[in-house]
Amino acid sequence: RKEVEQDPGPFNVPEGATVAFNCTYSNSASQSFFWYRQDCRKEPKLLMSVYSSGNEDGRFTAQLNRASQYISLLIRDSKLSDSATYLCVNYGGSQGNLIFGKGTKLSVKP
Amino acid sequence: DAGVTQSPTHLIKTRGQQVTLRCSPKSGHDTVSWYQQALGQGPQFIFQYYEEEERQRGNFPDRFSGHQFPNYSSELNVNALLLGDSALYLCASSWPPGTSEPGELFFGEGSRLTVL
Repeated sequence: RKEVEQDPGPFNVPEGATVAFNCTYSNSASQSFFWYRQDCRKEPKLLMSVYSSGNEDGRFTAQLNRASQYISLLIRDSKLSDSATYLCVNYGGSQGNLIFGKGTKLSVKP
Repeated sequence: DAGVTQSPTHLIKTRGQQVTLRCSPKSGHDTVSWYQQALGQGPQFIFQYYEEEERQRGNFPDRFSGHQFPNYSSELNVNALLLGDSALYLCASSWPPGTSEPGELFFGEGSRLTVL
């Protein structure tokens, strides 16, 4: 079983839609999780951290469910500029060591 | 303030050759990590350098080696190239351990290696 698993998509949604991605992780002792965004042929960039209490940043909400070992990312009111691949990430235990999922591709259409 | 810079951006090699990729971290960062991203996959951790030493290593063979210089810049070397080494190689830098969000890495745009 892979350490971090994501639905690869693609998710094709119209502008203004709400879309949710889920990600499961295998290491029950994991403490820290993140969502990164990667535009086509570009480098990954940190989107947001995922805290136990959940956190929200504008149109983006991240949730962590430790009992079920999954992480979610909700995007409300999708914009064309949200089109990208969203990578679910688990902290590997030392600075610089991150475990990435394969990514979920989102395409927002006009 | 320059971010993470990598060179070369693209290169083509043949099987059996050797390659060296270079990375300059973001100003103020002293930790450099290298990742391999194959097409359609997420980045995979190769190794991390801090204080000029390899501190952690992922599941990569010894053909992959690296170095960090006193100015914190780093090199990734891959020997005896295989077709399967074709990928985007990403360098990421971060603040000293304990001084920032542990998952906050700043990536360069990568070096795209094609092995023929």
